[in-house]
This record gives sequence, structure tokens and C-alpha cells, in this order.
Amino acid sequence: DAGVIQSPRHEVTEMGQEVTLRCKPISGHNSLFWYRQTMMRGLELLIYFNNNVPIDDSGMPEDRFSAKMPNASFSTLKIQPSEPRDSAVYFCASSFIGSNYGYTFGSGTRLTVV
Amino acid sequence: RKEVEQDPGPFNVPEGATVAFNCTYSNSASQSFFWYRQDCRKEPKLLMSVYSSGNEDGRFTAQLNRASQYISLLIRDSKLSDSATYLCVVFANSGGSNYKLTFGKGTLLTVNP
Repeated sequence: DAGVIQSPRHEVTEMGQEVTLRCKPISGHNSLFWYRQTMMRGLELLIYFNNNVPIDDSGMPEDRFSAKMPNASFSTLKIQPSEPRDSAVYFCASSFIGSNYGYTFGSGTRLTVV
Repeated sequence: RKEVEQDPGPFNVPEGATVAFNCTYSNSASQSFFWYRQDCRKEPKLLMSVYSSGNEDGRFTAQLNRASQYISLLIRDSKLSDSATYLCVVFANSGGSNYKLTFGKGTLLTVNP
């Protein structure tokens, strides 16, 4: 099992540019989560999907952020336009719906907006 | 009150020391509890689940007190390789039949030779 795969691993972009982060969950998992981690706030849940349907997007900071899951094996998190305060590590995680066995995280995308 | 609160740390201990992490949670309906470990510049990984009766995994012991909404993790005979950030995690209903994990901010542990 390849685990949760995220790309890119690192992204440096200029303020105002569009950024797209990608995630491939573990095959068979039907819940997918996007988290953002910063020193100040720790790990924050941005949005999660069950069976490709967005369930809770209350953590999405503002309209500049959007997420999609067109199928069970792929999700994107898009920031448009990006701002320096969006600089963080973005993690994708997957699990079975309602699983109380924890989540498996990808290696994360380290985003720097200059 | 934050959903999950942990000792702010950081903790610096010598090898062989015993170290305890504490955590409280605000949602009394929380169902499951975990400790995750996160190494520097890596993703969080599940360390162990926390059961009501308490549970042990080698040098690691986790305790849960539902009445006090309190979780703890004890590491005995600490090793250099235990140096990491320890995250307290709570699994609770987020509406309807949907559940999610909520993470504490973590406590950084450094074990020194």
C-alpha cells in the first residue's frame, strides 16, 4: 500500500498566484480530510469528504479556498489568489467513514507564499 | 474553551527519564481518543489509542478519565528516539452521523543524552 500521496511536496509561489494541492487517498478509504498546520494554530481541519461528498467545510478560511473530490481516488485543494498568510504545511488524510482507528496522513505539502 | 488542550511544553528530559503528557477535551460526547506522534517536518502518525480502562504498549501508558475529560500519556525510560511532538486527539460527532478527529496543538519532547 502506497499510503496517502500528496503533491507537490514543496511549493513556493508569489502572492496572487493560484495554488493547487493534490491528494490521492489510500485505496478503499472513503473519507478524506484536508488539514493545515502552522506553529500558531497547530493542525486545523479545513474540510472533509465522505464518499466524495463535502461534509464539513467550516474550517475553510475564506472564499479563496476551495476543495474538490471528483472521484474516490483524487482530491484537490485550491487557493486563489494566494496570500503570504496562507504559508503553512497542508496535510491530506484518509480513513474509513466513522472509523475510530485514526487517520493515515500524507507527507504534506509545504507551501510558501512570498 | 478549546476543543482539545495540551501542556504547551516544550519538555526537555534526560535519557531514562519518565515523562507525562496531559490533555483535556471539551466535548463530553467524544467517543474515541488517541495519541499521535509527529517527528520534525513529518506527518502525524498514530502512536496509540486510549481506552477507558487504560492501556499500555511497552514503555508507553495511556489513561482516560471520562468524568474529568482528561487524557494522559506516560513514557517510561525515555529514549533519544522518543524526541518528537506528541498530539492529543479526540474523535467526536461533528453533526448527524459524521465524525472527525480534532487535534491538540501538541507538546514538543526533547530527550537529551
